[in-house]
Amino acid sequence: QVQLVESGGGVVQPGRSLRLSCAASGFSFSNFGMHWVRQAPGKGLEWVAAIWYHGNNKYYADAVKGRFTVSRDNSKDTLYLQMDSLRADDTAVYYCARGVEAQPIDYWGQGTLVTVSS
Amino acid sequence: SYVLTQPPSVSVAPGKTARITCGGNNIGSKSVHWYQQRPGQAPVLVIHYDAARPSGIPERFSGSNSGNTATLTISRVEAGDEADYYCQVWDSSSHNRLVFGGGTKLTVL
Repeated sequence: QVQLVESGGGVVQPGRSLRLSCAASGFSFSNFGMHWVRQAPGKGLEWVAAIWYHGNNKYYADAVKGRFTVSRDNSKDTLYLQMDSLRADDTAVYYCARGVEAQPIDYWGQGTLVTVSS
Repeated sequence: SYVLTQPPSVSVAPGKTARITCGGNNIGSKSVHWYQQRPGQAPVLVIHYDAARPSGIPERFSGSNSGNTATLTISRVEAGDEADYYCQVWDSSSHNRLVFGGGTKLTVL
């Protein structure tokens, strides 16, 4: 069965960096686009970034553009999110999710919590 | 940027019908997907491509999309349907981005 398992969350000081990983299994990872979606405590879902099958096309929300970088290693079936210059308002549960363009997100990970605090 | 507007909350008695709207400029021209999120859990896709039900989703869940409004309808509401519901589209009009509505808390009275 399809599984997406995020890791790398934790507590980090403002201005520092953190890298999230998402290990995929149960499907042909290299054939699917992927998203990162976050949810601040008590708030709604917010899209963060997307990357296409091959990794050449990447898209970002305005709130993270220039600070976050999405990437993937299809040989390792793994999705990444490099987060730099973190701010308090980046505090959220970060989900990796399978989907591309107008297609629905059909699978979600369980999420990893990132807390940005001094 | 493209904006999706949902009512913050909807309340319904068990056995009745709940309707959750999602407003957006000419949303009828886009494919709308709906997600259910229970507390502490990841979202689950309940309606895709406006009105189609993924495998395993009860027939009580249905969707429609026309003009400036998409609607998620839940018939014969059960206590277990109490959750947050989000609509979602892919906006390629300005630059490529995924957009969620603000979410609607469904309360079963």
